[in-house]
Amino acid sequence: EVQVVESGGGLVQPGGSLRLSCAASGFTVSNKYMSWVRQAPGKGLEWVSITYTGDSTSYADSVKGRFTISRDNSKNIVYLQMNNLRAEDTAVYYCARVEMAVAGGYFDHWGQGALVTVSS
Amino acid sequence: QSALTQPASVSGSPGQSITVSCAGTSSDVGGYNYVSWYQQHPGKAPKLMIYDVNYRPSGVSNRFSGSKSGNTASLTISGLQAEDEADYFCCSYAGRSTWVFGGGTKLTVL
Repeated sequence: EVQVVESGGGLVQPGGSLRLSCAASGFTVSNKYMSWVRQAPGKGLEWVSITYTGDSTSYADSVKGRFTISRDNSKNIVYLQMNNLRAEDTAVYYCARVEMAVAGGYFDHWGQGALVTVSS
Repeated sequence: QSALTQPASVSGSPGQSITVSCAGTSSDVGGYNYVSWYQQHPGKAPKLMIYDVNYRPSGVSNRFSGSKSGNTASLTISGLQAEDEADYFCCSYAGRSTWVFGGGTKLTVL
């Protein structure tokens, strides 16, 4: 059974850092594209970042230069390093497996999410 | 990377059909056949319902269907059931390895 489980959320002060983890089971992350999507309280979904099988990455403009996505294939884990956090980064962060076509794709399996709260 | 535009809410009675629209631009919805739809119940993770405009994943009821015309995509749910009450989000590939979601539509089954 395909599963992804996020961890590492919590309360952090503005300007601080946090690293989220996404542990995968039922598939190997080295063979799949993986993404992070966030949802601010009471708001819609916002795509954050993607890592491709060749270690290429892409980011939303709102987090570019502050967030870094990476993967540890030996542990079957994907990470999201979040630096210089702002109040507007407060959200539930979902890890999602991406099923890609020639270009574009969709998010076929999602975790339950990790809550990140940025507040002093 | 502006969000796609969805109605804030739609409603229907059991057994009826409803349609949720998702308006984008030629840079996202209109430019690619990579529109997907997600269902989210309160406090739960999103669930994929439609991908590549009009394909259903295994296990999703055939009461759910998708379509696209120009820069606007649509999700139609026929034979509404109480369990369909949830938030629905559209998503489109937006080029240059980026994606954009809609603001979400709350479906109420009366």
